[in-house]
Amino acid sequence: DIQMTQSPSSLSASVGDRVTITCQASQDIRNYLNWYQQKPGKAPKLLIYDASNLETGVPSRFSGSGSGTDFTFTISSLQPEDIATYYCHQYHNLPWTFGQGTKVEIK
Amino acid sequence: QVQLVESGGGLVKPGGSLRLSCAASGFSFSDYYMSWIRQAPGKGLEWVSYISSSGGSIYYADSVKGRFTVSRDNAKNSLSLQMNSLRAEDTAVYYCARRGTGSYGLDVWGPGTTVTVSS
Repeated sequence: DIQMTQSPSSLSASVGDRVTITCQASQDIRNYLNWYQQKPGKAPKLLIYDASNLETGVPSRFSGSGSGTDFTFTISSLQPEDIATYYCHQYHNLPWTFGQGTKVEIK
Repeated sequence: QVQLVESGGGLVKPGGSLRLSCAASGFSFSDYYMSWIRQAPGKGLEWVSYISSSGGSIYYADSVKGRFTVSRDNAKNSLSLQMNSLRAEDTAVYYCARRGTGSYGLDVWGPGTTVTVSS
């Protein structure tokens, strides 16, 4: 199985800060990576697909980059409504696997 | 609007069975691959199963293989997950999700249904 190592596991930042989350795959997954946002008690929401493509309707402050084994998810200017847990997800191989999540809080 | 709604969760004893359903609306269900994802209390996301648009290709996580069966009824816009020989570690919120066309992003999710396996 492909292991997805996401870091940090949690972070605290101020409104307006740039926030970066990384995800490392245990083997080359090309660009077969998605990013999801999950707010407490809610289902995940797709933000970024194929490593760098913004899902329709998602604010442009969210972005993704990377290929191969190293990926980055960025919130360019953190907003109060961005408080959530973020997950990366690889679909290069079955079983699909997710990172362990990054909980983002406001400082 | 595009919507998925799960049902069928509940409390079941270890070794018992449960059948989850996912009702789809607002889109052409038969055109989309579907998946089940689960989340144990306080934990991350775990992929459970995946079924092609026709139902001809089906995959399972090793943790549920041989115990869970996924199926779909395209005429009824419905996805199901039959769960047998349930264990305490199957306790989770179960989500059905749609795989987008042209990419493998899970672009529509239901609100989830809770399964608790306990004596």
